[in-house]
Amino acid sequence: AQTVTQSQPEMSVQEAETVTLSCTYDTSESDYYLFWYKQPPSRQMILVIRQEAYKQQNATENRFSVNFQKAAKSFSLKISDSQLGDAAMYFCAYSGEGAQKLVFGQGTRLTINP
Amino acid sequence: NAGVTQTPKFRVLKTGQSMTLLCAQDMNHEYMYWYRQDPGMGLRLIHYSVGEGTTAKGEVPDGYNVSRLKKQNFLLGLESAAPSQTSVYFCASSYSAATSYNEQFFGPGTRLTVL
Repeated sequence: AQTVTQSQPEMSVQEAETVTLSCTYDTSESDYYLFWYKQPPSRQMILVIRQEAYKQQNATENRFSVNFQKAAKSFSLKISDSQLGDAAMYFCAYSGEGAQKLVFGQGTRLTINP
Repeated sequence: NAGVTQTPKFRVLKTGQSMTLLCAQDMNHEYMYWYRQDPGMGLRLIHYSVGEGTTAKGEVPDGYNVSRLKKQNFLLGLESAAPSQTSVYFCASSYSAATSYNEQFFGPGTRLTVL
C-alpha cells in the first residue's frame, strides 16, 4: 500500500520570505500523480499544485513550485514571497492507478509571521 | 455550478443513533469519495464509488455504509454511531480515469460529534 509522510507538523516563515514543505511517499507504481492541497481555517480543501510522475519538469503555479525527485520519492512544495493568506494546513497527497483514490500525508501547519 | 455540496454541515449524535450524510455534485463526475479527517492524521478514505450503482471499501470502512443510487449523489450512513466516529467528513468527486488530471473536488465538510 502507498504511504505519504510529512515530517514537519508545523512550519513558520516571515511574510515575503520563502518556505519549503517536505513530503516523501512510498509506492511500487510507475504512473501516478502527486498533489499539494491547502486547507485554511474555513476547512475547504483547495488544490494548490499537481505533478504527473511521468513528467520530469517540476510543476509551477505562480508563487508555488515543487521539487519532484522521482528516484528519491520526494515531493516538496516551495512557497515564494509568502503572504498572510498562505497560512493554512498543507497536505501532500498521492493518487495512483485505478480509481484515483487519494492517500494523504499527516499535514503541515504553516504560520506566516507579519 | 454549486460543485460538491454536503448536508448537514454540523451534527451531534448520541452513541447508538443513526444518521445519513448526503453528498451531491453537479459536475457529472463518475467517481465519488468519502473521507474522514482526524487531528494529526490527514484525510483517510472510508468508501468510494466509480459509478452509479457501485461502491467499494477504502482504508477505514468499518462502521459505515454507502450508497450511490444516482450518479450525482453519494450517501454515507452510520447505523450505530460510536464516539470513535467523531470526526470531520469530506466528500469529493472526480472525472473518470479517462481524463489526465485526476483532480478531486471537495465539499465543505461535515463536523460530526458523537457523545
